[in-house]
Amino acid sequence: DAGVIQSPRHEVTEMGQEVTLRCKPISGHNSLFWYRQTMMRGLELLIYFNNNVPIDDSGMPEDRFSAKMPNASFSTLKIQPSEPRDSAVYFCASRRALEMNEQFFGPGTRLTVL
Amino acid sequence: RKEVEQDPGPFNVPEGATVAFNCTYSNSASQSFFWYRQDCRKEPKLLMSVYSSGNEDGRFTAQLNRASQYISLLIRDSKLSDSATYLCVVNMEGSGTYKYIFGTGTRLKVLA
Repeated sequence: DAGVIQSPRHEVTEMGQEVTLRCKPISGHNSLFWYRQTMMRGLELLIYFNNNVPIDDSGMPEDRFSAKMPNASFSTLKIQPSEPRDSAVYFCASRRALEMNEQFFGPGTRLTVL
Repeated sequence: RKEVEQDPGPFNVPEGATVAFNCTYSNSASQSFFWYRQDCRKEPKLLMSVYSSGNEDGRFTAQLNRASQYISLLIRDSKLSDSATYLCVVNMEGSGTYKYIFGTGTRLKVLA
């Protein structure tokens, strides 16, 4: 069974450009989470969905960030416009259900904003 | 106070040594606790859950102290392959949500 799939794996862009990160959760998993990891702040939860519905977006840093989950097998995280301080590794993770404990992470997207 | 706090390390230990990490959490309503392992430039992976009665998986032992609000991870007979960052995770479902709060991790280096 394939794990969580993320694309692209690496993204280098210039300040002001729009960035779209993509995630495909494990088939049958109903809960999806977006995280950001930096050396300074560690792993931070940005937003999570349950059954394609956003449940908690309190971790989204500002209006430049938006996330969607149009169906059970696809989610996007968009940054527009991007800034150098957005440089980080962005992870997507999924769980079979919110109340189930084990969470599986994708390989991450390493974003560099110049 | 941070919700989940860990000593960042690094802990440099020789092969075969026993090493222990602690992690403190601030929300007494927290229900579930985990240790994740993260290798350099990789994603975090579940190492083990932490149960109230404590649990053991081979060389790894996890314990929970609710009264003092900390969890611990003990690694016996360290191997070179244990070198990684260990993330303490608290599941906040006790507050009606299902958010994992991650500590910033403790780096372990096992030396030959």
